[in-house]
Amino acid sequence: DIVMIQSPDSLAVSLGERATINCKSSQSVLYSYNNKNYLAWYQQKPGQPPKLLIYWASTRESGVPDRFSGSGSGTDFTLTISSLQAEDVAVYYCQQYYSTPPYTFGQGTKLEIK
Amino acid sequence: EVQLVESGGGLVQPGGSLRLSCAASGFTFSSYWMTWVRQAPGKGLEWVANIKQDGSEKYYVDSVKGRFTISRDNAKNSLYLQMNSLRAEDTAVYHCTRGSTYTDYWGQGTLVTVSS
Repeated sequence: DIVMIQSPDSLAVSLGERATINCKSSQSVLYSYNNKNYLAWYQQKPGQPPKLLIYWASTRESGVPDRFSGSGSGTDFTLTISSLQAEDVAVYYCQQYYSTPPYTFGQGTKLEIK
Repeated sequence: EVQLVESGGGLVQPGGSLRLSCAASGFTFSSYWMTWVRQAPGKGLEWVANIKQDGSEKYYVDSVKGRFTISRDNAKNSLYLQMNSLRAEDTAVYHCTRGSTYTDYWGQGTLVTVSS
């Protein structure tokens, strides 16, 4: 199975500042035939189920604010929040969906306000 | 509005069985793969199983193979997870989600507690 490792485990950022979360996969999740990275990002706020933010590594889900962006390719990916808002406090997960299941998640990164 | 509502969770002894259900509405259920994802208390997300639109393909994480069975009834817009030989490590909130790869809608989940 593909192992997903996120860094850091937790992060404290000041309001209005940039937050960056990294995700590394144990093997490439880039399919050469379509040049797509099979990587998604989710946000989970306390007491709520996860919410899809980004898929195909960089495609924002409908309704997701444009301060959220995803980048990277192959085995190294980044979720960036360009200007942190109070409502962005949450745990963020990456997930790979390359090839056949199981489609594994990273361990999560807890984002707080500094 | 897409809604996914899980039910069937509860307290069960080790070795016991439980059947989870997920009632789907607000979309054409028979057109989508469906997936179960679980989250142990205070822990991260774990992909459990998924099933194709017509039920002809099913996949499981190794830790539940041979113990859990995913199924669906498209006429009832419902997804199921039959869980047998339950272990303490199966204790988690089980979420019903829409999609085969990334999943765009999640239910609130139902809590399964395996304890004597």
